[in-house]
Amino acid sequence: DAGITQSPRYKITETGRQVTLMCHQTWSHSYMFWYRQDLGHGLRLIYYSAAADITDKGEVPDGYVVSRSKTENFPLTLESATRSQTSVYFCASSGGTGSGYTFGSGTRLTVV
Amino acid sequence: AQSVAQPEDQVNVAEGNPLTVKCTYSVSGNPYLFWYVQYPNRGLQFLLKYITGDNLVKGSYGFEAEFNKSQTSFHLKKPSALVSDSALYFCAVREKEYGNKLVFGAGTILRVKS
Repeated sequence: DAGITQSPRYKITETGRQVTLMCHQTWSHSYMFWYRQDLGHGLRLIYYSAAADITDKGEVPDGYVVSRSKTENFPLTLESATRSQTSVYFCASSGGTGSGYTFGSGTRLTVV
Repeated sequence: AQSVAQPEDQVNVAEGNPLTVKCTYSVSGNPYLFWYVQYPNRGLQFLLKYITGDNLVKGSYGFEAEFNKSQTSFHLKKPSALVSDSALYFCAVREKEYGNKLVFGAGTILRVKS
């Protein structure tokens, strides 16, 4: 199906574990983004990518790693999860200037 | 850096009454502005955007927004609110110098009571 999909939908992990959140889009959009949503903060950008193999830090990148070996995939890895990374994570994609942005359904991550 | 502000944490309105959710922006150059809605436990859904042209932008679900350059505002409006409009609304601006990222406001909860 066309669109942007995130997996898993829900994840519980322990402090110190590595966890990867997946994002896949079918439009071949150039731009992809990872945001986290926390009460009182709205959505904050973690990392973004302008094309395959091009990534850059956003507002809150510490503790996260991304890669983009293929245009359609943009996984987000928490190298050593902390409780402060408990959040809802949204992936988004965009075709560029003038285009809209489409968001995935989100991953609710709980770090215990 | 571009930014948007949503001055109201929550807006309450009676069903059938007009609603306004406020957004002001701070940008250099011409802004690309967006409104998104989020229903509980769901992702963000696009409502409308302003890039250029008419200051009144019409979007999904009967919503519209008015771009006001002199007041640097982009308020979301609807002539007659529905209970089903109750949700979290985000205003956002495109930051073109940094990968075309969207910068979001903190969000406004809209509660429509019957």
